[in-house]
Amino acid sequence: GAGVSQSPRYKVAKRGQDVALRCDPISGHVSLFWYQQALGQGPEFLTYFQNEAQLDKSGLPSDRFFAERPEGSVSTLKIQRTQQEDSAVYLCASSSSRGEYGYTFGSGTRLTVV
Amino acid sequence: GQNIDQPTEMTATEGAIVQINCTYQTSGFNGLFWYQQHAGEAPTFLSYNVLDGLEEKGRFSSFLSRSKGYSYLLLKELQMKDSASYLCAVRDPDYKLSFGAGTTVTVRA
Repeated sequence: GAGVSQSPRYKVAKRGQDVALRCDPISGHVSLFWYQQALGQGPEFLTYFQNEAQLDKSGLPSDRFFAERPEGSVSTLKIQRTQQEDSAVYLCASSSSRGEYGYTFGSGTRLTVV
Repeated sequence: GQNIDQPTEMTATEGAIVQINCTYQTSGFNGLFWYQQHAGEAPTFLSYNVLDGLEEKGRFSSFLSRSKGYSYLLLKELQMKDSASYLCAVRDPDYKLSFGAGTTVTVRA
């Protein structure tokens, strides 16, 4: 597609509920990053894929967070047993290589845990 | 890790110039990016510096000094649409971006 597409745009979850956030990167982009952005803060790195391989997941805040990219294109970020502190905007970014030439971000999914 | 500092807020008048400073302390450096982010929207790429010096792109310019761990973004001929958050981001040798908290710029008529 023309840009990075994320869905849903907004998600309200009850505490303890599982959620799945989807990212459609730009076609052909091999690198995909997930970031978490709290209100009034800059994005914080969560995890990085090159094709289907998850090369870095050091930013995932707990084992309740899980990301996958099984076919090297679409990626899903799953959060189990959501907590209020998980409320944030989750941004996805893709790049045509390892990011040497910059990153294109999606508009994000705003998750609110109530 | 990365420690990136930038001012929280700046206000300027339409037509004026604003300079947003960014200082960083990093365990590894592989380039510095500036992004613009309007509320509720995706960050959009503005500039990239990997070598010392000034990069100019229209009304926007970005400067980098690696020895000082310092960069600035210069916005000239400010327009109302430039009201947004500006994010400084440092890339590490593993190609991860670490962001500052962002500077909210308000342009007044």
